[in-house]
Amino acid sequence: GAGVSQSPSNKVTEKGKDVELRCDPISGHTALYWYRQSLGQGLEFLIYFQGNSAPDKSGLPSDRFSAERTGGSVSTLTIQRTQQEDSAVYLCASSRAGPTNEKLFFGSGTQLSVL
Amino acid sequence: EDKVVQSPLSLVVHEGDTVTLNCSYEVTNFRSLLWYKQEKKAPTFLFMLTSSGIEKKSGRLSSILDKKELFSILNITATQTGDSAVYLCAVSFYNQGGKLIFGQGTELSVKP
Repeated sequence: GAGVSQSPSNKVTEKGKDVELRCDPISGHTALYWYRQSLGQGLEFLIYFQGNSAPDKSGLPSDRFSAERTGGSVSTLTIQRTQQEDSAVYLCASSRAGPTNEKLFFGSGTQLSVL
Repeated sequence: EDKVVQSPLSLVVHEGDTVTLNCSYEVTNFRSLLWYKQEKKAPTFLFMLTSSGIEKKSGRLSSILDKKELFSILNITATQTGDSAVYLCAVSFYNQGGKLIFGQGTELSVKP
């Protein structure tokens, strides 16, 4: 696609429920990232997929968070047993392989609200 | 611990003013420093700086990196209301692709 696409754009859920957030990266981009932005804060790295390599999960805040990337394209971020502190904007980004692979293209994010 | 600090956190100016946004960093294995503009939700790329002392320009925006003093500045001249946004600074690392550490951002408001 022309840009990084995320869905849903907004999600309201009750504490304790599971949620799934979806990201469709730019076609041809081999790397995919999830970041989280809490109100008034900078972006916090969560997880990074690069091609067929094992993902870098070092930013996931707890074992309630997991992500997968199927077929090297679409990714799903799953949060189990959501807590109020999970409320944030979840941003997905993708990048090309090569020497400028840190130049990220971001989607518009999913605003998650846990009541 | 790796960290990126931006200042000021917020700034209000009038159209036509010139602003300077600051970003300092303390990280290991530094590769490059990036600036993003965030209006509403999706950050958009502005600059990537890898070498010291080389100014990058795009229209009224420019940026420079000092790897000795570990900081970067983003300048915006002749500001316009459309420049109102949060400006994010981030640092990348060797062998870690786009795994970036971001500063808190500077919220710029340009009044007519």
